[in-house]
Amino acid sequence: DQQVKQNSPSLSVQEGRISILNCDYTNSMFDYFLWYKKYPAEGPTFLISISSIKDKNEDGRFTVFLNKSAKHLSLHIVPSQPGDSAVYFCAATVRDSNYQLIWGAGTKLIIKP
Amino acid sequence: AAGVIQSPRHLIKEKRETATLKCYPIPRHDTVYWYQQGPGQDPQFLISFYEKMQSDKGSIPDRFSAQQFSDYHSELNMSSLELGDSALYFCASSLPIAGGPGTDTQYFGPGTRLTVL
Repeated sequence: DQQVKQNSPSLSVQEGRISILNCDYTNSMFDYFLWYKKYPAEGPTFLISISSIKDKNEDGRFTVFLNKSAKHLSLHIVPSQPGDSAVYFCAATVRDSNYQLIWGAGTKLIIKP
Repeated sequence: AAGVIQSPRHLIKEKRETATLKCYPIPRHDTVYWYQQGPGQDPQFLISFYEKMQSDKGSIPDRFSAQQFSDYHSELNMSSLELGDSALYFCASSLPIAGGPGTDTQYFGPGTRLTVL
């Protein structure tokens, strides 16, 4: 059973517009969430994270929103740039037990010029 | 800034052979994680080490073993390789300090692509 779900396998966005990537989770024990960006044949690169005690975290063009009641988080990228084209993974963990990351299946973001 | 180093980057082995993958964490990081990513799949957690002791175990086959050494580097040993072991193997490191924001963040190496023929 997939505990972290990214239901959109791909997303295409015009350069300069906002990209919104979504992630849902089922395990209410998760208390820390992360977004990673991955290019082919490279390791995941950490982008931004959020603790379950917050509902928003912002870092430059990247903002992550967490809705605990809906068990939903989203990553907003604005403005989208061509270099943002990559696969984005949502991951979650339970801090007090272990630091094992549970991953979503990823969403491929394509930024159109 | 220094990142996680993995070697080799590519490895080709035959069935039933053994393979050893190495991971060098970011300096001062004392926790290492291993993940396996098969074609078209999300990364699956294999095993982790904290201060040279195994801290958590995931879906690691019995044919695999791993350890963390005194310099905090880690090695993943894989024996009796099977075709299904062909995957990208990622190592990540972190510096877990209780209570600090962002301290649980795992930083990933570039991965080792293992191909079993």
